[in-house]
Amino acid sequence: DAGVTQSPTHLIKTRGQHVTLRCSPISGHKSVSWYQQVLGQGPQFIFQYYEKEERGRGNFPDRFSARQFPNYSSELNVNALLLGDSALYLCASSLEGTSYEQYFGPGTRLTVT
Amino acid sequence: GQQLNQSPQSMFIQEGEDVSMNCTSSSIFNTWLWYKQEPGEGPVLLIALYKAGELTSNGRLTAQFGITRKDSFLNISASIPSDVGIYFCAGRTSGTYKYIFGTGTRLKVLA
Repeated sequence: DAGVTQSPTHLIKTRGQHVTLRCSPISGHKSVSWYQQVLGQGPQFIFQYYEKEERGRGNFPDRFSARQFPNYSSELNVNALLLGDSALYLCASSLEGTSYEQYFGPGTRLTVT
Repeated sequence: GQQLNQSPQSMFIQEGEDVSMNCTSSSIFNTWLWYKQEPGEGPVLLIALYKAGELTSNGRLTAQFGITRKDSFLNISASIPSDVGIYFCAGRTSGTYKYIFGTGTRLKVLA
């Protein structure tokens, strides 16, 4: 079975631009969580979506938004990019309800110049 | 952002040695997860723990959910070169949907 997939793998953007990152969860998983991982640190929680509804939001500015589609895939959007947004963005999927184990994708490496 | 304390921060060990690392929190958790991350990749789930005192193994890896519910431990027995990577703990409190990750333990194995 395919694991969590994310696209694109790498991305270079300029300050002030907008970016959209995409994630497809493991088949059968209805929950998607987004994390930001800055070099040298552990992942930081941004959002969790379950059945297309936002269930949790981390301490990130309103420039960060996300949504989940009927097929449970998800998009993370970041507006007005700052240099500090450069990071590895990770998507994790989980069953929820029966299991709280989260399985991560390979991530999208975002560089803001 | 909030992170859990993991120790040690890094370890250099000889192949064949056993490894112990731990993770502590100021909050009570009802779920602990342990991950391994290699450069340029996403974290890979190693072990999940759901009950205080629970001891769970996955091959050479054994993890424990601390009795106080504020800590967790990971042991690796008979380390091999492919154990190299960064090990993260992650905890989740009841009624929340987010995991809080640790600062990571960087493991290097010398052949």
